[in-house]
Amino acid sequence: AQKVTQAQTEISVVEKEDVTLDCVYETRDTTYYLFWYKQPPSGELVFLIRRNSFDEQNEISGRYSWNFQKSTSSFNFTITASQVVDSAVYFCALRGLGAQKLVFGQGTRLTINP
Amino acid sequence: GAVVSQHPSRVICKSGTSVKIECRSLDFQATTMFWYRQFPKQSLMLMATSNEGSKATYEQGVEKDKFLINHASLTLSTLTVTSAHPEDSSFYICSAGTRSKETQYFGPGTRLLVL
Repeated sequence: AQKVTQAQTEISVVEKEDVTLDCVYETRDTTYYLFWYKQPPSGELVFLIRRNSFDEQNEISGRYSWNFQKSTSSFNFTITASQVVDSAVYFCALRGLGAQKLVFGQGTRLTINP
Repeated sequence: GAVVSQHPSRVICKSGTSVKIECRSLDFQATTMFWYRQFPKQSLMLMATSNEGSKATYEQGVEKDKFLINHASLTLSTLTVTSAHPEDSSFYICSAGTRSKETQYFGPGTRLLVL
Protein backbone atom coordinates (compact mmCIF):
# COMPACT_ATOMS: atom_id res chain seq x y z
CA ALA A 1 0.00 0.00 0.00
CA GLN A 2 1.11 3.53 -0.64
CA LYS A 3 0.98 6.24 1.97
CA VAL A 4 2.04 9.85 2.30
CA THR A 5 2.50 11.46 5.70
CA GLN A 6 2.69 15.17 6.33
CA ALA A 7 3.16 15.28 10.07
CA GLN A 8 2.92 19.06 10.33
CA THR A 9 -0.74 19.98 10.35
CA GLU A 10 -0.20 23.70 10.72
CA ILE A 11 2.83 25.96 10.60
CA SER A 12 2.87 29.65 11.34
CA VAL A 13 5.92 31.86 10.77
CA VAL A 14 6.71 35.51 10.40
CA GLU A 15 7.36 36.89 6.96
CA LYS A 16 10.95 36.50 5.67
CA GLU A 17 11.58 33.43 7.76
CA ASP A 18 12.57 30.19 6.06
CA VAL A 19 10.17 27.29 6.50
CA THR A 20 10.40 23.59 5.66
CA LEU A 21 7.40 21.37 5.05
CA ASP A 22 8.02 17.69 5.67
CA CYS A 23 6.76 14.81 3.55
CA VAL A 24 7.43 11.13 4.20
CA TYR A 25 6.13 8.42 1.91
CA GLU A 26 5.73 4.66 1.77
CA THR A 27 5.65 2.58 -1.38
CA ARG A 28 6.72 -0.81 -2.62
CA ASP A 29 7.14 0.46 -6.15
CA THR A 30 10.71 0.87 -7.36
CA THR A 31 9.66 3.59 -9.76
CA TYR A 32 7.29 6.31 -8.64
CA TYR A 33 6.59 10.02 -8.80
CA LEU A 34 6.36 12.57 -6.03
CA PHE A 35 4.51 15.85 -6.24
CA TRP A 36 3.88 19.03 -4.32
CA TYR A 37 0.73 21.07 -4.82
CA LYS A 38 -0.28 24.40 -3.32
CA GLN A 39 -3.90 25.14 -2.44
CA PRO A 40 -4.47 28.84 -1.72
CA PRO A 41 -7.72 30.04 -0.09
CA SER A 42 -9.39 30.17 -3.50
CA GLY A 43 -9.31 26.36 -3.54
CA GLU A 44 -7.53 25.57 -6.77
CA LEU A 45 -4.63 23.14 -6.54
CA VAL A 46 -1.52 24.59 -8.14
CA PHE A 47 1.13 22.17 -9.35
CA LEU A 48 4.57 23.03 -7.97
CA ILE A 49 6.89 20.15 -8.77
CA ARG A 50 7.15 16.53 -9.90
CA ARG A 51 10.11 14.38 -9.00
CA ASN A 52 10.87 10.93 -10.43
CA SER A 53 12.17 8.31 -8.05
CA PHE A 54 15.29 7.70 -10.10
CA ASP A 55 16.32 11.33 -9.95
CA GLU A 56 17.50 12.31 -6.50
CA GLN A 57 18.89 15.64 -7.53
CA ASN A 58 17.57 18.45 -5.40
CA GLU A 59 15.80 21.25 -7.15
CA ILE A 60 15.60 24.97 -6.62
CA SER A 61 13.09 27.30 -8.22
CA GLY A 62 13.36 30.84 -6.97
CA ARG A 63 12.54 30.83 -3.27
CA TYR A 64 11.38 27.22 -3.42
CA SER A 65 13.61 24.20 -3.01
CA TRP A 66 12.97 20.51 -2.67
CA ASN A 67 15.08 17.89 -0.96
CA PHE A 68 14.45 14.33 -2.11
CA GLN A 69 16.10 11.60 -0.03
CA LYS A 70 15.28 8.06 -1.05
CA SER A 71 17.17 6.61 1.91
CA THR A 72 14.71 8.21 4.32
CA SER A 73 11.70 8.20 1.95
CA SER A 74 11.33 11.92 2.31
CA PHE A 75 10.57 14.75 -0.08
CA ASN A 76 10.75 17.97 1.89
CA PHE A 77 9.87 21.41 0.62
CA THR A 78 11.57 24.60 1.78
CA ILE A 79 10.43 28.15 1.21
CA THR A 80 13.17 30.70 1.70
CA ALA A 81 12.37 34.26 2.77
CA SER A 82 8.67 33.48 3.06
CA GLN A 83 6.05 35.96 1.96
CA VAL A 84 2.43 36.47 2.95
CA VAL A 85 1.36 35.20 -0.49
CA ASP A 86 2.89 31.84 0.39
CA SER A 87 0.08 31.28 2.88
CA ALA A 88 -1.81 28.20 1.69
CA VAL A 89 -2.30 24.51 2.29
CA TYR A 90 0.46 22.46 0.75
CA PHE A 91 -0.06 18.86 -0.29
CA CYS A 92 2.55 16.22 -0.97
CA ALA A 93 1.43 13.36 -3.22
CA LEU A 94 2.73 10.06 -4.60
CA ARG A 95 1.93 8.07 -7.71
CA GLY A 96 3.34 4.72 -8.69
CA LEU A 97 4.59 4.01 -12.19
CA GLY A 98 1.72 2.78 -14.30
CA ALA A 99 -0.80 3.82 -11.68
CA GLN A 100 -3.27 6.54 -12.34
CA LYS A 101 -4.22 7.54 -8.83
CA LEU A 102 -2.44 10.11 -6.70
CA VAL A 103 -2.07 9.37 -3.02
CA PHE A 104 -2.21 12.60 -1.05
CA GLY A 105 -0.89 13.51 2.34
CA GLN A 106 -3.15 15.28 4.79
CA GLY A 107 -1.72 18.65 3.90
CA THR A 108 0.13 21.32 5.87
CA ARG A 109 -1.57 24.65 6.44
CA LEU A 110 1.10 27.34 6.22
CA THR A 111 0.41 30.81 7.53
CA ILE A 112 2.88 33.60 6.89
CA ASN A 113 2.28 36.53 9.20
CA PRO A 114 3.35 40.04 8.22
CA GLY B 1 -0.33 25.06 -20.89
CA ALA B 2 -2.17 22.36 -18.94
CA VAL B 3 -5.22 24.39 -18.02
CA VAL B 4 -8.28 22.71 -16.55
CA SER B 5 -11.54 24.56 -16.06
CA GLN B 6 -14.56 23.70 -13.98
CA HIS B 7 -18.09 25.00 -14.16
CA PRO B 8 -19.88 26.19 -12.16
CA SER B 9 -17.51 27.49 -9.52
CA ARG B 10 -20.28 27.67 -6.97
CA VAL B 11 -23.79 26.24 -6.86
CA ILE B 12 -26.60 26.31 -4.34
CA CYS B 13 -29.50 23.94 -4.83
CA LYS B 14 -32.48 22.55 -3.03
CA SER B 15 -32.48 19.11 -1.53
CA GLY B 16 -33.68 16.49 -4.00
CA THR B 17 -32.48 18.23 -7.13
CA SER B 18 -29.61 17.12 -9.37
CA VAL B 19 -26.52 19.16 -10.08
CA LYS B 20 -24.12 18.77 -12.97
CA ILE B 21 -20.49 19.88 -12.77
CA GLU B 22 -18.33 20.14 -15.87
CA CYS B 23 -14.59 19.65 -16.08
CA ARG B 24 -12.73 20.65 -19.22
CA SER B 25 -9.12 20.38 -20.29
CA LEU B 26 -8.57 23.53 -22.32
CA ASP B 27 -5.23 23.02 -24.01
CA PHE B 28 -4.62 19.29 -24.01
CA GLN B 29 -6.52 16.08 -24.54
CA ALA B 30 -7.16 14.30 -21.28
CA THR B 31 -7.38 10.55 -21.58
CA THR B 32 -8.08 10.36 -17.88
CA MET B 33 -9.98 12.64 -15.54
CA PHE B 34 -10.35 12.33 -11.82
CA TRP B 35 -13.03 13.57 -9.46
CA TYR B 36 -12.22 14.45 -5.87
CA ARG B 37 -14.19 15.62 -2.92
CA GLN B 38 -12.74 17.77 -0.18
CA PHE B 39 -14.27 18.54 3.20
CA PRO B 40 -13.16 21.64 5.13
CA LYS B 41 -9.63 21.38 6.45
CA GLN B 42 -9.18 17.90 5.05
CA SER B 43 -7.24 16.32 2.24
CA LEU B 44 -8.64 15.38 -1.13
CA MET B 45 -10.63 12.19 -1.35
CA LEU B 46 -10.65 10.49 -4.74
CA MET B 47 -14.18 9.61 -5.79
CA ALA B 48 -13.66 8.12 -9.23
CA THR B 49 -11.34 7.79 -12.20
CA SER B 50 -12.81 8.45 -15.59
CA ASN B 51 -11.24 7.24 -18.82
CA GLU B 52 -12.50 8.64 -22.08
CA GLY B 53 -15.02 6.39 -23.76
CA SER B 54 -15.33 3.91 -20.91
CA LYS B 55 -17.16 3.60 -17.62
CA ALA B 56 -15.75 5.36 -14.62
CA THR B 57 -14.01 3.42 -11.88
CA TYR B 58 -15.39 4.38 -8.49
CA GLU B 59 -13.53 4.24 -5.21
CA GLN B 60 -14.83 2.06 -2.45
CA GLY B 61 -17.74 3.63 -0.64
CA VAL B 62 -18.69 6.02 -3.43
CA GLU B 63 -22.22 5.46 -4.72
CA LYS B 64 -22.21 5.04 -8.49
CA ASP B 65 -25.88 5.86 -8.82
CA LYS B 66 -25.52 8.99 -6.73
CA PHE B 67 -22.47 10.41 -8.46
CA LEU B 68 -22.83 9.89 -12.19
CA ILE B 69 -19.69 10.46 -14.21
CA ASN B 70 -19.52 10.82 -17.96
CA HIS B 71 -16.31 11.27 -19.96
CA ALA B 72 -17.68 11.59 -23.46
CA SER B 73 -14.75 13.35 -25.07
CA LEU B 74 -11.05 13.91 -24.56
CA THR B 75 -11.68 17.37 -23.18
CA LEU B 76 -14.84 17.02 -21.12
CA SER B 77 -15.97 15.04 -18.11
CA THR B 78 -19.11 15.68 -16.10
CA LEU B 79 -20.10 14.77 -12.56
CA THR B 80 -23.80 14.74 -11.77
CA VAL B 81 -24.85 14.65 -8.15
CA THR B 82 -28.30 13.10 -8.29
CA SER B 83 -31.00 13.82 -5.72
CA ALA B 84 -28.62 15.96 -3.73
CA HIS B 85 -28.93 16.14 0.04
CA PRO B 86 -27.28 18.51 2.54
CA GLU B 87 -24.61 15.91 3.32
CA ASP B 88 -23.48 16.15 -0.31
CA SER B 89 -22.43 19.73 0.31
CA SER B 90 -18.72 19.86 -0.31
CA PHE B 91 -15.92 21.13 -2.52
CA TYR B 92 -15.60 19.04 -5.67
CA ILE B 93 -12.38 19.18 -7.69
CA CYS B 94 -11.51 17.54 -10.96
CA SER B 95 -8.11 16.86 -12.41
CA ALA B 96 -6.96 15.76 -15.82
CA GLY B 97 -4.01 13.87 -17.17
CA THR B 98 -2.77 11.98 -20.18
CA ARG B 99 -0.57 8.96 -20.64
CA SER B 100 2.27 11.16 -21.78
CA LYS B 101 1.76 13.78 -19.06
CA GLU B 102 2.87 12.32 -15.78
CA THR B 103 1.34 15.19 -13.87
CA GLN B 104 -2.32 15.70 -13.01
CA TYR B 105 -3.57 19.24 -13.43
CA PHE B 106 -6.44 20.41 -11.31
CA GLY B 107 -9.47 22.53 -11.99
CA PRO B 108 -10.44 25.42 -9.72
CA GLY B 109 -13.11 23.40 -7.93
CA THR B 110 -16.86 23.69 -7.42
CA ARG B 111 -18.43 24.55 -4.10
CA LEU B 112 -21.76 22.79 -3.75
CA LEU B 113 -24.24 23.80 -1.06
CA VAL B 114 -27.41 21.78 -0.76
CA LEU B 115 -30.16 23.40 1.29
